[in-house]
Amino acid sequence: SQKIEQNSEALNIQEGKTATLTCNYTNYSPAYLQWYRQDPGRGPVFLLLIRENEKEKRKERLKVTFDTTLKQSLFHITASQPADSATYLCALMNSGGYQKVTFGTGTKLQVIP
Amino acid sequence: GAVVSQHPSWVICKSGTSVKIECRSLDFQATTMFWYRQFPKQSLMLMATSNEGSKATYEQGVEKDKFLINHASLTLSTLTVTSAHPEDSSFYICSADRQATNEKLFFGSGTQLSVL
Repeated sequence: SQKIEQNSEALNIQEGKTATLTCNYTNYSPAYLQWYRQDPGRGPVFLLLIRENEKEKRKERLKVTFDTTLKQSLFHITASQPADSATYLCALMNSGGYQKVTFGTGTKLQVIP
Repeated sequence: GAVVSQHPSWVICKSGTSVKIECRSLDFQATTMFWYRQFPKQSLMLMATSNEGSKATYEQGVEKDKFLINHASLTLSTLTVTSAHPEDSSFYICSADRQATNEKLFFGSGTQLSVL
């Protein structure tokens, strides 16, 4: 069966350190993978998209890697700040035309001052 | 960036009543909008794809007669939870696809529904 797995346990990290979140998937052939941020009681906000033929993408303090052999994406936040505390969701869309986006369960990040 | 407005933010209703949730794209036209529900500490589960001017496409296991979707214009989709029951209590979120590619979804702020 198809699965998108993110570490369900919260990640606590000291301010200023790099946070690394993991997204693993099985039985998908994604055209691309997305990362979203979700704050409590709010809808997700798009952060980054990385395509199947891309290894790495950066945006300010964010970096995403995509390894289609390992079937894994890593999401990094460098110089983390308390304001980065939120739940981060990975999502992917299978290849083969316009298909629905499927979300992982998310990892809650807590940046400790 | 694009803005999607969802209303109401929260609603409490009695069992058996119907509740309507609105989703509007404020600065772009959305041919397609999506409706999700999310239980605490769980992922967003797609309920249906709302297509302007045509019937919605429901995901497997979602009752179309219970969750009525109307997409009457390019900027408005509504979800009506009919004859709500306590098990329908959940966080409902809509999203819109500005470029019809699914590459960047814009989400509403969500509606917390509590059915007593």
